[in-house]
Amino acid sequence: DAKTTQPPSMDCAEGRAANLPCNHSTISGNEYVYWYRQIHSQGPQYIIHGLKNNETNEMASLIITEDRKSSTLILPHATLRDTAVYYCIVRNTGANSKLTFGKGITLSVRP
Amino acid sequence: DAGVIQSPRHEVTEMGQEVTLRCKPISGHNSLFWYRQTMMRGLELLIYFNNNVPIDDSGMPEDRFSAKMPNASFSTLKIQPSEPRDSAVYFCASSLMGQGAYGYTFGSGTRLTVV
Repeated sequence: DAKTTQPPSMDCAEGRAANLPCNHSTISGNEYVYWYRQIHSQGPQYIIHGLKNNETNEMASLIITEDRKSSTLILPHATLRDTAVYYCIVRNTGANSKLTFGKGITLSVRP
Repeated sequence: DAGVIQSPRHEVTEMGQEVTLRCKPISGHNSLFWYRQTMMRGLELLIYFNNNVPIDDSGMPEDRFSAKMPNASFSTLKIQPSEPRDSAVYFCASSLMGQGAYGYTFGSGTRLTVV
């Protein structure tokens, strides 16, 4: 799977939008961008994924650049419960592909 | 749906003992994954199964580790003999593979402490 690069940490104020960046400059045409998060002591939780179009669901929005070399996960109104480690992962959808986690970015939401 | 169910939640054992971790995937999912998480190494994929068949066990650290999936609703990860360096949180995840870009659903994990 292609590698991703994320800053180690960031913070934002409660109620504001949190924009989490991810670089994936070596992404292949058939690879999707996935975002997961892990709240302390819990298992990772799927957030969203996309191929080339922007995506939105009840948790977040995913903005992928036109060249697909980077993306941004947007939590529109961050709450204290959004404090977690967020992982950006690229992988294809082949039957034998696998999800490989990097270090992720630690998001701290402050009151 | 109860999600991915792992047991036990916590396990404390003495070095040299056999440890068995259990996982029940989401009904209908055809792939199952075992991960290990430590502070030093982060989340590591140990092994995964498609349709109950092991596909890639290259992440299994050594012969002391073994995993089985006797049917679509149950998997075990066994460590024999256990060592203190095996202390970690072990996660099981399941997914529906081969039919599009599906996410994984993770269980709550088993925290293993080997003393």
